[in-house]
Amino acid sequence: ELKVEQNPLFLSMQEGKNYTIYCNYSTTSDRLYWYRQDPGKSLESLFVLLSNGAVKQEGRLMASLDTKARLSTLHITAAVHDLSATYFCAVRPLPSGRSQGNLIFGKGTKLSVKP
Amino acid sequence: KAGVTQTPRYLIKTRGQQVTLSCSPISGHRSVSWYQQTPGQGLQFLFEYFSETQRNKGNFPGRFSGRQFSNSRSEMNVSTLELGDSALYLCASSLVGTGYEQYFGPGTRLTVT
Repeated sequence: ELKVEQNPLFLSMQEGKNYTIYCNYSTTSDRLYWYRQDPGKSLESLFVLLSNGAVKQEGRLMASLDTKARLSTLHITAAVHDLSATYFCAVRPLPSGRSQGNLIFGKGTKLSVKP
Repeated sequence: KAGVTQTPRYLIKTRGQQVTLSCSPISGHRSVSWYQQTPGQGLQFLFEYFSETQRNKGNFPGRFSGRQFSNSRSEMNVSTLELGDSALYLCASSLVGTGYEQYFGPGTRLTVT
């Protein structure tokens, strides 16, 4: 059974600190997504990682992908309160068509950044 | 450009009833996917439509069905509602499929009593 596991599931951070969220998946995949969800809101796309060694950065967030280890990380640098949200990773397992295929989501990491 | 819209935003139904939810994708997007989000099961894929054809289906009972119209708008239907169907239903649109970036709508919050 395909599994996408995130850890931690809950993360309470102090402003200014760094931390990493991990996303492990159990099958081969050709792309990995990170999303953010604020309470009561929909999902906002953060990053799409397409190849081994891919690294993308936006502001205080940096995502990386190691397809050999089946691991993606979302690193938070110098956290601020506005980053408080739930973060999901999602994997498109192979085999998939060129443009189709299910997305399998992790359970999400609820991040709370405190002053 | 306008985002993905979903109607209605909130819905309360009783067990045994049926419900239809609607999703209008971003203009030009031809793929619409549906997801169910619950606190216990998280985000689960329901199905994907492309050019009026169901291209993928998740592991849900036949009570869950959908369709897509020629203008790419999509509807999903749940018949014989059960308490466990209470969830946030999200649709996502993309240009040609889930292999490309998906844009999520605000969701429909369904409560079954």
